[in-house]
Amino acid sequence: IAGITQAPTSQILAAGRRMTLRCTQDMRHNAMYWYRQDLGLGLRLIHYSNTAGTTGKGEVPDGYSVSRANTDDFPLTLASAVPSQTSVYFCASSEQGSSYNEQFFGPGTRLTVL
Amino acid sequence: SQQGEEDPQALSIQEGENATMNCSYKTSINNLQWYRQNSGRGLVHLILIRSNEREKHSGRLRVTLDTSKKSSSLLITASRAADTASYFCATVKNSGNTPLVFGKGTRLSVIA
Repeated sequence: IAGITQAPTSQILAAGRRMTLRCTQDMRHNAMYWYRQDLGLGLRLIHYSNTAGTTGKGEVPDGYSVSRANTDDFPLTLASAVPSQTSVYFCASSEQGSSYNEQFFGPGTRLTVL
Repeated sequence: SQQGEEDPQALSIQEGENATMNCSYKTSINNLQWYRQNSGRGLVHLILIRSNEREKHSGRLRVTLDTSKKSSSLLITASRAADTASYFCATVKNSGNTPLVFGKGTRLSVIA
């Protein structure tokens, strides 16, 4: 059982380039989330999806887009990367999009934008 | 802004001692969750305490919740070197079906 997988593990990217971070879960969870983690700022929610076909904005959505075409996949796209998007990105899922559900996290993607 | 704020930011203790971390939050909550993050890894859920509960146990973990003070504490008893990690509390910002908001975390170091 893989749980949640993220790809790539790490990436160095030139500013202005487009990048898609991939996230796949095999738990048939309805809800999925993208966070960024920066030193001193903790985890901040970028976008979320409570069910396939729907998405919502989190605390820091600017510069990012997501799609949820099916239950398992929740890619995060940076249309034109900027250095301030250098961060560690975590994907997570939960059975339902409810605060009563625990979230399961992927291993993270370390992104550096130069 | 974060809903939950952990205190202290960092804590260093000897193996075998108890570790206590606190979380304060701003608005009414349905529940509060604690997560652990080992260095370089994703977060792992530890425990959830509902707003109508005052205390909950799981192994060496004890969580309390005081809704009148809008605060929670996580106690790890008889700490081990393997408990070295960052610990985060998470709450909902508003009532209803909204995502969790995580605090900035407490970094715990347990020295063998």
